[in-house]
Formats: sequence, structure tokens, C-alpha cells
Amino acid sequence: DGGITQSPKYLFRKEGQNVTLSCEQNLNHDAMYWYRQDPGQGLRLIYYSQIVNDFQKGDIAEGYSVSREKKESFPLTVTSAQKNPTAFYLCASFRDSSTGELFFGEGSRLTVL
Amino acid sequence: AQSVTQLGSHVSVSEGALVLLRCNYSSSVPPYLFWYVQYPNQGLQLLLKYTSAATLVKGINGFEAEFKKSETSFHLTKPSAHMSDAAEYFCAVSEGSGYSTLTFGKGTMLLVSP
Repeated sequence: DGGITQSPKYLFRKEGQNVTLSCEQNLNHDAMYWYRQDPGQGLRLIYYSQIVNDFQKGDIAEGYSVSREKKESFPLTVTSAQKNPTAFYLCASFRDSSTGELFFGEGSRLTVL
Repeated sequence: AQSVTQLGSHVSVSEGALVLLRCNYSSSVPPYLFWYVQYPNQGLQLLLKYTSAATLVKGINGFEAEFKKSETSFHLTKPSAHMSDAAEYFCAVSEGSGYSTLTFGKGTMLLVSP
């Protein structure tokens, strides 16, 4: 079955460490997205990529980095510069370019101790 | 610029009662509108979407929503709540055309009591 796989599901890290969240899709979608979710704040866009080797900052890109070396993969690195990294991170891909509908992965919960 | 307002961060209903979750949007062009549902520690699943065909849109699990341009609203309803409907619901807007991004509301948590 086609879908988006995010790993790990849960991740604990010490303050000051960089962490990388994996996102892999086998849907053959061109565009991929990373959102951050905090309680009561909805989803906020971190980065998105429309094609391989190209990506754009979203609304809250500071302290994050991404790469898009393959169509299937869009990893997110949470750097030590991100002041409040504890959150639920959601990866998505573009299902329908005519309407903007997104297809989501199951999410990764990062807790910084 | 597009935006979404969901009225009420929490809505409580009894099992069997009507569910009404409110969503108002702002968009400079005719929008595409979506409702997603999220269960704890899971991703978002599409419930239904409006893409300018019919103004009354039917989705999964018995949910439906009506697009009202004059009120800039896209409220989500279900005639009879079930315990399994307890989840967080997000309304989202897109101005479509190409790889434009979705803008999400802050979400409404639906609580269903027996």
C-alpha cells in the first residue's frame, strides 16, 4: 500500500543535540511538506519542497533544516538553534495539485529533556 | 492571504446528539476547503473537501459540510454522534492552483459522552 512513513514515532533527546526526523513516501508525489503541531496552535508550516533539490521556508523555519535529494525522501533536522523543539511533527505530500489536498504521515513526537 | 477560524477549541456532545463544528475562512480567490480528523498521536485523515462542485459535501463516517459563500463558512455536521467520533478536527483552506500550501485552523477537540 502506498503511504508516508515517518520515523521514529517517539524520540527523546537532550537539549543542544541535533535530531533528524525521517519522512519517506512511495506515492510518487512531487511535493512534500513538514508541519509542526503544538496543543491549541494547529499546524504550522516549517518547510516544503516542490521538486528534488529545491525547498522553501515556511512560516517557522528558524532552527530547522531539510534536504530533498530523492523524490521519495524529505528528512527534517531539528537543530540546537531551535529554542523550543518539543512538539509533534507531521510530514505530508501533495496528493492533488489542482486543489491543494495533502496526504499525511503518522507523525513523530520529539521530546527534548 | 488565506486564513481559517474555528470557533471553539472544545465541543462536547452526548452520544446520539447532533455534531456541529464551525469553520469560517478568508480567501482572496474562490477557495478549496477541507476538514481533517486527527486521533491521538496519529496523523491527519481527510474527512471531506469542497472543490467548487456541490456546495453540500458528504464525507466519511457520516460527516458532511456545507459551503456558504455569503457567510464565508464551511461548518462540519453529523446528525448523530458516536463515541468513536471523539477526536480533534481541523478545517483548512487552499487557494489551489499548483503547489500552494494549506492554511489550517487551530483545531476543535470533539468530546463525546455516553
